[in-house]
Amino acid sequence: DVVLTQTPVSLLISLGGQASISCRSSQSLVHSNGNTYLHWYLQKPGQSPQLLIYQVSNRFSGIPDRFSGSGSGTDFTLKISRVEPEDLGVYYCLQRTHNPYTFGAGTKLELK
Amino acid sequence: QVQLQQSGAELAKPGSSVKISCKASGYTFTSYYISWIKQTTGQGLEYIGYINTGSGGTNYNEKFKGKATLTVDKSSSTAFMQLSSLTPDDSAVYYCARERKNYYYSGGVMDAWGQGASVTVSS
Repeated sequence: DVVLTQTPVSLLISLGGQASISCRSSQSLVHSNGNTYLHWYLQKPGQSPQLLIYQVSNRFSGIPDRFSGSGSGTDFTLKISRVEPEDLGVYYCLQRTHNPYTFGAGTKLELK
Repeated sequence: QVQLQQSGAELAKPGSSVKISCKASGYTFTSYYISWIKQTTGQGLEYIGYINTGSGGTNYNEKFKGKATLTVDKSSSTAFMQLSSLTPDDSAVYYCARERKNYYYSGGVMDAWGQGASVTVSS
């Protein structure tokens, strides 16, 4: 199975600051069709995961441009600029290139 | 608005089965697949599989074959997941999620989730 390693495990950020989360894959996430199926989710406390970014860098509807995704192959990054209180929670990457589909273990974003 | 309403918490005995429901509203049910995901503190998030809500066809993570059975009732826009031969390792929160069709363009992205259903297996 593809292993997604997220770092850091937790992140302490001041309001208005910038956060960067890494997701590294044990194998390339480029599909044979040329697309890369790496998505990002946020799970706020007590809630279900919600979609932020799909296919590496596409923001989902209603997601502010403070959130951006980048990367290729095996290395991907989620950046959150101007952190706001509603950004707190656990961030997960998910790969849907290889079966079985797998999630990263999560990165917890907390306020400093 | 899009909603996926899951059934309530379950307390089950080892060796028994449970069936969780996921009722969709706010969109055309058969235009999306329904995926199922398991969340535990120890194992994190695990993808169980998805069901094609139009045809009833399924795709399972090998790990959950024989454990989970996915079905759908189009008439009520409801998807179901039955978990059989329960053990304490099946204790978890189970989510259903709406998954976009046309894998090439969507990458199977899950863009709306239910609130989760807690299953506790204990004697």
